[in-house]
Amino acid sequence: GNSVTQMEGPVTLSEEAFLTINCTYTATGYPSLFWYVQYPGEGLQLLLKATKADDKGSNKGFEATYRKETTSFHLEKGSVQVSDSAVYFCALSDQGGSEKLVFGKGTKLTVNP
Amino acid sequence: DTEVTQTPKHLVMGMTNKKSLKCEQHMGHRAMYWYKQKAKKPPELMFVYSYEKLSINESVPSRFSPECPNSSLLNLHLHALQPEDSALYLCASSQGPLRGVEQYFGPGTRLTVT
Repeated sequence: GNSVTQMEGPVTLSEEAFLTINCTYTATGYPSLFWYVQYPGEGLQLLLKATKADDKGSNKGFEATYRKETTSFHLEKGSVQVSDSAVYFCALSDQGGSEKLVFGKGTKLTVNP
Repeated sequence: DTEVTQTPKHLVMGMTNKKSLKCEQHMGHRAMYWYKQKAKKPPELMFVYSYEKLSINESVPSRFSPECPNSSLLNLHLHALQPEDSALYLCASSQGPLRGVEQYFGPGTRLTVT
């Protein structure tokens, strides 16, 4: 079955540091890939997505590239801010357009001033 | 309007109570979802309604009963819950079972069962 593996953290960085959160997946064909963010006490928000190989999703300074050859979708940001402190979830839906999202376990990011 | 609203924000109920959670969206989405999220865990899918019909039930106990009165509304009726059912309940919506579509999540209802 489909699965997502992401680094669990927690990750603690200083403001303006470079961020990478690794995400790899197992799925047949070409799933769609997502990064969601959950701020404390809130629901999940879509951060970015990619639907085919070599697509780059980007939003709010965050980027992730769909790498079919390494089955990866790593999240990066060049300079994090305190306001980026949150839990980040990598997720996939299968190529058939399933209603199901398969989530990774989440990575908690804390950014210190 | 890209908002999914949920009420109430917080709910405390005893094991013999009956209560309902409500979810609403006005994005014209045709799929709506209920998730359960425990602390420090990812959301777990409970139910999916597609075009107002229940399409997925992830073997959820019958003490949780979903209802979709129309394409904009989704309810979750709760009865005889257990303390382990305490969690954040998230509602989401999407355009449907289409490739690459994202789900939009509400802020959740924090449920405590005493």
